[in-house]
Amino acid sequence: DAGVTQSPTHLIKTRGQQVTLRCSPKSGHDTVSWYQQALGQGPQFIFQYYEEEERQRGNFPDRFSGHQFPNYSSELNVNALLLGDSALYLCASSLDGGRRDEQFFGPGTRLTVL
Amino acid sequence: AQKITQTQPGMFVQEKEAVTLDCTYDTSDPSYGLFWYKQPSSGEMIFLIYQGSYDQQNATEGRYSLNFQKARKSANLVISASQLGDSAMYFCAMRENLYGNNRLAFGKGNQVVVIP
Repeated sequence: DAGVTQSPTHLIKTRGQQVTLRCSPKSGHDTVSWYQQALGQGPQFIFQYYEEEERQRGNFPDRFSGHQFPNYSSELNVNALLLGDSALYLCASSLDGGRRDEQFFGPGTRLTVL
Repeated sequence: AQKITQTQPGMFVQEKEAVTLDCTYDTSDPSYGLFWYKQPSSGEMIFLIYQGSYDQQNATEGRYSLNFQKARKSANLVISASQLGDSAMYFCAMRENLYGNNRLAFGKGNQVVVIP
């Protein structure tokens, strides 16, 4: 039973560029959440997707957008990259209404913006 | 306002000893859940233990136990019989309003180093 997978593992971009990160949820899960973790900080909630729609959103600008596909996988897009977007981006999947709505995390994508 | 507070500096603990990691939280919602995650240097967040606000007993999962003091709004993690593999960052997180909302608010984490 595959857990949450994310790609790519690492990514280096320059300011102003755009990036797309990908996440495949744990088998049987239908909800995907994205978190940004800056160095030395705890993860910050970006948004959550359920039934191919954004259900909740944290305090992030519109440069951060996402998508969920019919197979429940998800993408996180960041436009006009800033140096401050350098972080570990974590994807978490869960089953809506499941046991404690426990979220399983992927290994993350480490984004460096130069 | 910070919802989860973890203020301990990095901790060194002797192998086989117990360690307690402090976590206080802030919420006015009567229905919430508290989580502890472990994050090794590889980056993946590993679920350790969960405590619901209405749970009558403190949660336990193997060597992990949660000391839940609702009136004090604290949810301290106790790791018994520390192992070298327990060296990691530990994050306390809260989910408010259990129904229809499962975003997690994390603290800044506690660094634990287990020494032989």
